[in-house]
Amino acid sequence: ETGVTQTPRHLVMGMTNKKSLKCEQHLGHNAMYWYKQSAKKPLELMFVYSLEERVENNSVPSRFSPECPNSSHLFLHLHTLQPEDSALYLCASSQDPFVRGYGYTFGSGTRLTVV
Amino acid sequence: AQSVTQLDSQVPVFEEAPVELRCNYSSSVSVYLFWYVQYPNQGLQLLLKYLSGSTLVKGINGFEAEFNKSQTSFHLRKPSVHISDTAEYFCAVSEENAGNMLTFGGGTRLMVKP
Repeated sequence: ETGVTQTPRHLVMGMTNKKSLKCEQHLGHNAMYWYKQSAKKPLELMFVYSLEERVENNSVPSRFSPECPNSSHLFLHLHTLQPEDSALYLCASSQDPFVRGYGYTFGSGTRLTVV
Repeated sequence: AQSVTQLDSQVPVFEEAPVELRCNYSSSVSVYLFWYVQYPNQGLQLLLKYLSGSTLVKGINGFEAEFNKSQTSFHLRKPSVHISDTAEYFCAVSEENAGNMLTFGGGTRLMVKP
């Protein structure tokens, strides 16, 4: 199995729908991250979890709701999204969010289109 | 707070030519530096990183980067590129007092032409 797996790879949803993105890591890492990658914009950090506790939330709108039931799984629940939320959502993991030098391992992303 | 600037949003180059992708950062404290590559429809993959020691760092796929503290730069180079190197490249910084949090540059799209 690859290190970080994201499902689904592609998602099209209406503005009134509710959907969830899933991320799973098989690396024994303790930290997991959600990033948003929009066209022609830098990577935006959305949420950081360390051992299932949220340690960072970068002023993300409440229509995005993260969940980390254990250190291997991370979800991003979506509801009443806007077209500008269409983007590639990347999940990443690292050994520890507080110890430098490890870098991140990324998943392949979920391409979200809001119609 | 640190920032990362990738000066070129796109770099076109012919196959087998050398390439340099530029990265500059601003920080008042010690930094670790990273380069990631993103192939189409993929996540980011670590190319190389500088933590300490020799300022010339070698990575995967024939890439290397040199840390220049006085110029606050960490430029990525490859002496001869292949079509398969066509991708987006991201420079990232981890600052001394920010744990393992990475700040990414805006990315440089490398386009290798036959």
